[in-house]
Amino acid sequence: KQEVTQIPAALSVPEGENLVLNCSFTDSAIYNLQWFRQDPGKGLTSLLLIQSSQREQTSGRLNASLDKSSGRSTLYIAASQPGDSATYLCAVSEGAQKLVFGQGTRLTINP
Amino acid sequence: EAGVAQSPRYKIIEKRQSVAFWCNPISGHATLYWYQQILGQGPKLLIQFQNNGVVDDSQLPKDRFSAERLKGVDSTLKIQPAKLEDSAVYLCASSPPGSNEQFFGPGTRLTVL
Repeated sequence: KQEVTQIPAALSVPEGENLVLNCSFTDSAIYNLQWFRQDPGKGLTSLLLIQSSQREQTSGRLNASLDKSSGRSTLYIAASQPGDSATYLCAVSEGAQKLVFGQGTRLTINP
Repeated sequence: EAGVAQSPRYKIIEKRQSVAFWCNPISGHATLYWYQQILGQGPKLLIQFQNNGVVDDSQLPKDRFSAERLKGVDSTLKIQPAKLEDSAVYLCASSPPGSNEQFFGPGTRLTVL
């Protein structure tokens, strides 16, 4: 059974710092991995999707990497801003588009 | 392009009552998902539809939860009777044909007292 773990559960950093969020998964037989953002009281917004054959994806100040063999992914956020404060969720896709989510990292950027 | 629509946004009921949630996916998206997200946890898939057929309902508590997508477009998730532990946000998502990417609605926050 696939299990996805995100560390740390919460992170607080000053504005302007670069930071890394971690995600690990137990079964490397995945189709893809997605990083989502969730703001309080709202749904999930997809940030980056990495196919199993890819090593990384970039969008603006965000960079996500994938190492299938070790069961790890990282989300790098450059030059953090208060607007980046949210919960970040990692999810891996197994067969038939099923997503298995981690519990999330609650990120707070302090002005 | 309109996103995934869900209603209601909030619902408060007492235990043993019934409740229903509605979802309208993005136009043209054949796959529809219902997730349950308990506070402090990641979403957990309850049921997945491909058009109007069920693909995966292995984690749906079938003694009290039911879902349908009769015309292959919008969907309803029902809980009858509700328990305290059903308090959660219920998220609906959809995917276009041939894609693994899922697009989420704003969710329905259910509180069972």
